[in-house]
Parts: sequence; C-alpha cells; structure tokens
Amino acid sequence: EDKVVQSPLSLVVHEGDTVTLNCSYEVTNFRSLLWYKQEKKAPTFLFMLTSSGIEKKSGRLSSILDKKELFSILNITATQTGDSAIYLCAVYSSNYKLTFGKGTLLTVNP
Amino acid sequence: ETGVTQSPTHLIKTRGQQVTLRCSSQSGHNTVSWYQQALGQGPQFIFQYYREEENGRGNFPPRFSGLQFPNYSSELNVNALELDDSALYLCASSWWGQGASEQYFGPGTRLTVT
Repeated sequence: EDKVVQSPLSLVVHEGDTVTLNCSYEVTNFRSLLWYKQEKKAPTFLFMLTSSGIEKKSGRLSSILDKKELFSILNITATQTGDSAIYLCAVYSSNYKLTFGKGTLLTVNP
Repeated sequence: ETGVTQSPTHLIKTRGQQVTLRCSSQSGHNTVSWYQQALGQGPQFIFQYYREEENGRGNFPPRFSGLQFPNYSSELNVNALELDDSALYLCASSWWGQGASEQYFGPGTRLTVT
C-alpha cells in the first residue's frame, strides 16, 4: 500500500525563523510529488516535483526532491504569520491516484 | 479563468440517508478527483473521473459512487450514510494529457452525519 509520511506533525516558530518540513514516501510507480498549503478548506497548490535534485522556488518557499532516498523537503525562510497553515505532501503513484500525508501544522507566532 | 467550485458548502444528514455533492471543474480541465478529509488527516482518494468514466478508485465501498458530465462537472453520491462519513469532501480538477499534472482543489463540502 502506498504511504506518505510527513514530519513533524506540528511546529511552532516565531516570525522570521526558517523552517524545514519533511516528506518521505513509499509508493509503487512513482510519478511526481506535490506540496499543498491548506489554510481553511481548499488545499492550494505550491509545487510539483518530478526530477531529483532540482530545486523549485517561489518567493520564500522552496522545495527539492530526492528520488534515491525517497523524500522531499519544503523550506520556508523568513516566516510570517500568514504562513500559518497545514502543509500537505502528496505523491502520484500513477496517473490517477494522489496519496497524501497527514500534513504538518505550522504555527508562526508574531 | 474560473476555479473549482463545489456545492453545497455545508450539509447535515441523518444516518441511512443518501447525499449528492456537486463540483464544477476549473475551465480547461478534463479530469475530476474526489477526496474525503477527516479531521486531522490528509485527504483520502475516493475516485477519479475522466471522459465521463471512473478512471481509478481508492479504498471506498460501492456506496460511494460518482458521475462526470460532458462539461466535466461531477457529482459524488453516498448512499446509506454512516456516522464515519462525516468529513470534508474535496473535489480537484486537473488536465490529463501527458503524465500527471497538478490538481486544483475546490473549497469543499462539510458533511455532518448524525
């Protein structure tokens, strides 16, 4: 059975800190890994990673994939209170099935 | 470009009843996936529809069924509701072309079964 494990499950930091969120996976026929941010209801898309070692960056957020060690990290630098959310990692194991981890609850205090 | 929309926003049903949830996909997308998200958990894949046919299914019983229409909108039907069906139901649309593509989520329907 496909499995995606995120750590830590929750994290509390102060504004300005840098955080690293982890995602490891065990899936058959890996295709790509996706990161989402969920604040209230709808998860919003952040990144899709397909190739190892190529960093994707958007503002203060960046992510990288290691297909040999089967994990990905999401980095957030200079955190702001607006970064408080649940961050979800998901893996495509085929063209149709997206398997999610439980998420990391990030709280950024002023 | 319009995003993914879902209706209704909230719904309260009694155990044993049936429910239909609706989703309109983002313009330009041809694939719809449905997920169930229980409190404190990540979304769980229910099924995906492409070209009006079920294209893959997660570990959900047959009382969870769906439809996709020619305009790519979709319905999720759940029969014989159980208390454990209480959850946020998310719909996501994507473009199925070559390989997997990012899925964009709607705001969800919060279903409470009493």
